[in-house]
Parts: sequence; C-alpha cells; structure tokens
Amino acid sequence: GNSVTQMEGPVTLSEEAFLTINCTYTATGYPSLFWYVQYPGEGLQLLLKATKADDKGSNKGFEATYRKETTSFHLEKGSVQVSDSAVYFCALSHVTGGTSYGKLTFGQGTILTVHP
Amino acid sequence: DAGVTQSPTHLIKTRGQQVTLRCSPKSGHDTVSWYQQALGQGPQFIFQYYEEEERQRGNFPDRFSGHQFPNYSSELNVNALLLGDSALYLCASSPDRGGTGTQYFGPGTRLLVL
Repeated sequence: GNSVTQMEGPVTLSEEAFLTINCTYTATGYPSLFWYVQYPGEGLQLLLKATKADDKGSNKGFEATYRKETTSFHLEKGSVQVSDSAVYFCALSHVTGGTSYGKLTFGQGTILTVHP
Repeated sequence: DAGVTQSPTHLIKTRGQQVTLRCSPKSGHDTVSWYQQALGQGPQFIFQYYEEEERQRGNFPDRFSGHQFPNYSSELNVNALLLGDSALYLCASSPDRGGTGTQYFGPGTRLLVL
C-alpha cells in the first residue's frame, strides 16, 4: 500500500536559518505529492504540490522537488521566520483516469518551531 | 469565494452517543472526503463521497457512515461513540474532473468523547 515517511521531529530553528524536512514515499505508479501546513488550532492548508517527476513546487519561499529515483519530496526554505512555526505534513494522492478521486495518504507530521 | 466550511467547531459527547458533523465544500467542488486526525498524528482517510455515493473507504468500522446531498454538502455520522473517537475531524473537497489530486480542507470539528 501507499505510505509516507517524514523525518522525526520536532525541529527547532533560529530565525533566518535554513530548513529541510525530509519526506520519502512508497507508492505504485505516479502519485501526486503535496506539502500541507497546519497552524495551531486550524485545519490544513495546501503549501505546495508537484504532480510529476522532476516537478518543483514552490510557495511563500518554500520549495520541494519530486524525485522519483529516490522517492523523495523534501521540503526546504532558505530563511525561516517565526511565523513559519507550524506542523508540516507530506502527503501523496493517486490521480487516475483524469479524475481526482483518491485518498490522501499523510506522513505523521513534523513540528517546526522558529525562535527569534 | 467561500472555502470549505464545517460545523460545529467543537463538540463534547459521552460514550455510546451518536454524533453528526457537517461540511460544505468549496464552490465548484463536487467531491467530499473525510479524515480523522488524532492528537499528534497525521490525518487518516475515512471515506470519500461523489454523486451522493461512497466511492472509497478507509480502514474505519461501520460505526462511521456518511451522506452527500444534491448540493454536494456532506455529513459524517459516528454511532456508539468510543473514547478513542476523540479527534479533529477534517472535511476536504475537490473537483472530480480536471483536478490534480489536490484537496482543500476545512477548519475541522474537534470532538471530545467523555
């Protein structure tokens, strides 16, 4: 079955530090890959996505590249801010036959805390 | 353009009771999925509704059931509540055609079972 594995957390950084959160996946075929972010007390927000190998998703200074050869989708940001403190989830979805149906399979989440 | 909305925001029930949670999808979306997120965990897929039918189901018991209405809104029902059902319940919507697998989430309903 499909699965997603994220690096163990929590991650604590100082403002302006470089961020990497590792994500690897197991899936058949060609899943779409996502990073979602969850701020305290809120639902999930889509941060970025990539739908095919070598695609790079980017948003708000965050980036992740779909690497099929290493089955990875690591999240990076060059300079984090206090406002980036949240829980980050890596996820995959299968898109088949032109439809979007298919569950999202999530990793366990990584808590990021950024100090001033 | 309203996003995904859910009600209620919080709910407290006792063991053995039944609960109904509600979701309105994002405008233009016809597919609704439900997820359970236990504290400190990633969301787990419960089921997905399209054209008023359950199209896909995760590993949840029959106590969890749902419904989708002609306007695409949806309900999640949980019978015979257990303490372990305490969690954040998330609804997500997506367009069935032309999508990329992206699902858009509501703020969730936090259920506490005592």
